[in-house]
Amino acid sequence: QQPVQSPQAVILREGEDAVINCSSSKALYSVHWYRQKHGEAPVFLMILLKGGEQKGHEKISASFNEKKQQSSLYLTASQLSYSGTYFCGTEGSAGGTSYGKLTFGQGTILTVHP
Amino acid sequence: NAGVTQTPKFRILKIGQSMTLQCTQDMNHNYMYWYRQDPGMGLKLIYYSVGAGITDKGEVPNGYNVSRSTTEDFPLRLELAAPSQTSVYFCASSHSYEQYFGPGTRLTVT
Repeated sequence: QQPVQSPQAVILREGEDAVINCSSSKALYSVHWYRQKHGEAPVFLMILLKGGEQKGHEKISASFNEKKQQSSLYLTASQLSYSGTYFCGTEGSAGGTSYGKLTFGQGTILTVHP
Repeated sequence: NAGVTQTPKFRILKIGQSMTLQCTQDMNHNYMYWYRQDPGMGLKLIYYSVGAGITDKGEVPNGYNVSRSTTEDFPLRLELAAPSQTSVYFCASSHSYEQYFGPGTRLTVT
């Protein structure tokens, strides 16, 4: 089942904060976050693993509530470069890793204005 | 490193035609994936591979076939193209958890 993201879209001014949520109906092994700019390929932001481990490139923070199968991505002091569509991808927990076999949400469009 | 490369960038097919979308990576990654992305939607996994000679179906495999004879290449074959296959196709590769995506192929079936 596809995870559900909320909100569908958010508009910010530079410097404002935003939270993007991702909710799944199944038990999760990991949650991955990607950002896609218009006309470009998705780019990896962060992975959150069952058990609390997190790995990512940028100064973007996220949380993973294993009991509720929910993850949230926190964008603080937003910059113009944060604009794009954010996708969460989930990996089910049965048997551990499924080698990156991700199910992606429908995306959240983030627009940051000067 | 070129990363993940895909050819062609654009293609228009007539209904019933066949074609192969090419994907090559030069990072020596074992895991490779094919996704499709319909307008305004998320990515859906078509097929994936965990190494040369090993492939498996993803969420939406019908109408597609793949092969993986080398670590570098993971072509996607469309047989008997249908309008429902109009989409942007992304190939990705991974060493562990981070997936690196190619630039995509925009396919239109008319």
